[in-house]
Amino acid sequence: AQRVTQPEKLLSVFKGAPVELKCNYSYSGSPELFWYVQYSRQRLQLLLRHISRESIKGFTADLNKGETSFHLKKPFAQEEDSAMYYCALIYQTGANNLFFGTGTRLTVIP
Amino acid sequence: NAGVTQTPKFQVLKTGQSMTLQCAQDMNHEYMSWYRQDPGMGLRLIHYSVGAGITDQGEVPNGYNVSRSTTEDFPLRLLSAAPSQTSVYFCASSYSILHRDYGYTFGSGTRLTVV
Repeated sequence: AQRVTQPEKLLSVFKGAPVELKCNYSYSGSPELFWYVQYSRQRLQLLLRHISRESIKGFTADLNKGETSFHLKKPFAQEEDSAMYYCALIYQTGANNLFFGTGTRLTVIP
Repeated sequence: NAGVTQTPKFQVLKTGQSMTLQCAQDMNHEYMSWYRQDPGMGLRLIHYSVGAGITDQGEVPNGYNVSRSTTEDFPLRLLSAAPSQTSVYFCASSYSILHRDYGYTFGSGTRLTVV
């Protein structure tokens, strides 16, 4: 069963334009949700945790339980934002396993 | 701190060969796991461990073995390599389930090609 869905494999935006990377999840409980980023030739890095409600590198993500979504947003895209972005979740119970979506490759066009 | 260290970074195997991918962490994390990353499929969980001496299967365990004799090390063994195991492998660690909201720390990956 697909736990995390990222509908866009590729997303291109111009520098300075707003960007939204979509993420939907299927779980009736309250999962822990994350966004991870992988820059070219680098390891995956934690970008955001929903529980902390923080803004990292200008990105924010709001958990919408009604729509079971956790979209990642940034008002003004920068070239250095070009990367692979993964939405992921950990279930509320059971082992601490992190399940990933298929990822969205964001390209910011200068 | 080194974080999560994976070796080797690159490996080419012939079909049928076996090998072990190494993973070590120095953060005293209880939880460790192995993922494979394939284009269009994201990262899929192979095996995981919630502590020394305890391992369990993830989503795609076939063809792989793991062991966890110490808190620090979590090696992944390919028993008889097949071309379908060509992938990038990531090791990750995190705190216990009591702190599941902290997220994971990932290694730099091992790019494996099976010919």
